[in-house]
Amino acid sequence: DQQVKQNSPSLSVQEGRISILNCDYTNSMFDYFLWYKKYPAEGPTFLISISSIKDKNEDGRFTVFLNKSAKHLSLHIVPSQPGDSAVYFCAAKAGTALIFGKGTTLSVSS
Amino acid sequence: DTGVSQDPRHKITKRGQNVTFRCDPISEHNRLYWYRQTLGQGPEFLTYFQNEAQLEKSRLLSDRFSAERPKGSFSTLEIQRTEQGDSAMYLCASSFLGPNTEAFFGQGTRLTVV
Repeated sequence: DQQVKQNSPSLSVQEGRISILNCDYTNSMFDYFLWYKKYPAEGPTFLISISSIKDKNEDGRFTVFLNKSAKHLSLHIVPSQPGDSAVYFCAAKAGTALIFGKGTTLSVSS
Repeated sequence: DTGVSQDPRHKITKRGQNVTFRCDPISEHNRLYWYRQTLGQGPEFLTYFQNEAQLEKSRLLSDRFSAERPKGSFSTLEIQRTEQGDSAMYLCASSFLGPNTEAFFGQGTRLTVV
């Protein structure tokens, strides 16, 4: 059973528009959530995180929203750029290990 | 370069052979993790070390897998008697201690068992 779910395998967005990537989780013990970006043949790169005591965290073009009651988080990228094209993984932590979703492939066209 | 370093980047081996991978974490980080990623999946946790102590192992880590972190610095992951199902990207990550700390990943070792 998947504890972290990214139900959209792919997302296509035009340059300059907003990209919204979604993530759902089932374990109410998760208290820290992270987004990673991954290019082919490279390891995941940390993007942004949020603690369960917050509902929003912003870093430049990236904003993560957390809705604990719905067990849902989302990553907003605005404006989207072609260089943002990559696989985005949502991850959650209840102890030490990160639990990852399967990823969403974002394609930003110019 | 002060990031997480993994060696080799690619390894092709015949079924039944043993392989060993190395990870050099960010030097200030106390925690070191090993993950495995297969096609279409997110990274899956294998094991982690706090300094030299191996504190947690996933049920994915079969008896053929062993990891060490002597002296709390670099780590090695050995797979004995490799099987085709072991083909995957093996990722190492490191982090500071603390509950809300992000893990930084290396570029991974791509293992292909033929």
